[in-house]
Amino acid sequence: DADVTQTPRNRITKTGKRIMLECSQTKGHDRMYWYRQDPGLGLRLIYYSFDVKDINKGEISDGYSVSRQAQAKFSLSLESAIPNQTALYFCATSEPGQSFPGYTFGSGTRLTVV
Amino acid sequence: RKEVEQDPGPFNVPEGATVAFNCTYSNSASQSFFWYRQDCRKEPKLLMSVYSSGNEDGRFTAQLNRASQYISLLIRDSKLSDSATYLCVVTSTGTASKLTFGTGTRLQVTL
Repeated sequence: DADVTQTPRNRITKTGKRIMLECSQTKGHDRMYWYRQDPGLGLRLIYYSFDVKDINKGEISDGYSVSRQAQAKFSLSLESAIPNQTALYFCATSEPGQSFPGYTFGSGTRLTVV
Repeated sequence: RKEVEQDPGPFNVPEGATVAFNCTYSNSASQSFFWYRQDCRKEPKLLMSVYSSGNEDGRFTAQLNRASQYISLLIRDSKLSDSATYLCVVTSTGTASKLTFGTGTRLQVTL
């Protein structure tokens, strides 16, 4: 099994629908992140969490919310999906105190909003 | 201005060639520097960290120039399997372990 698992892998949804992307990890890492990737824009941080009680906005949090249900689970919700949220979404984990962040990424969720 | 800037490419090189990518960053407080590799539609994976003294890992050499705020990656003896997008990544003081990604440079190695 993968260290960081994202579900679903692919999703097509309609404008206005609520959708949740899920991320679970077996790394035992405290820190979890949600990024989106768009062509020509690179990966941009949506939300991050350093432990179960900690939620922080990233650079592009509008239109998104998150829930850290447990150390191992971090879900991303689009309350009312819009077409410009069509993107590749990545969840990642890291452990503090390492000499480098050492992110572990999930395989990504390709979301299309029509 | 973007925090991390890269030439998007693509760089098309023949097998066996040497190719170099540069990346510039705008925040002089940036602390840590990395190159990640991303294959098409896959997740990014850490290629190597970048140190001021320069560091090498097999055919890959990374260099950091803090004064000019740029990072480089040199790939020698390119292989077909090196074809991918190379992401320049930095972290900055006060942002804990949050990574800031460049948009990536695409490399295509051909026969």
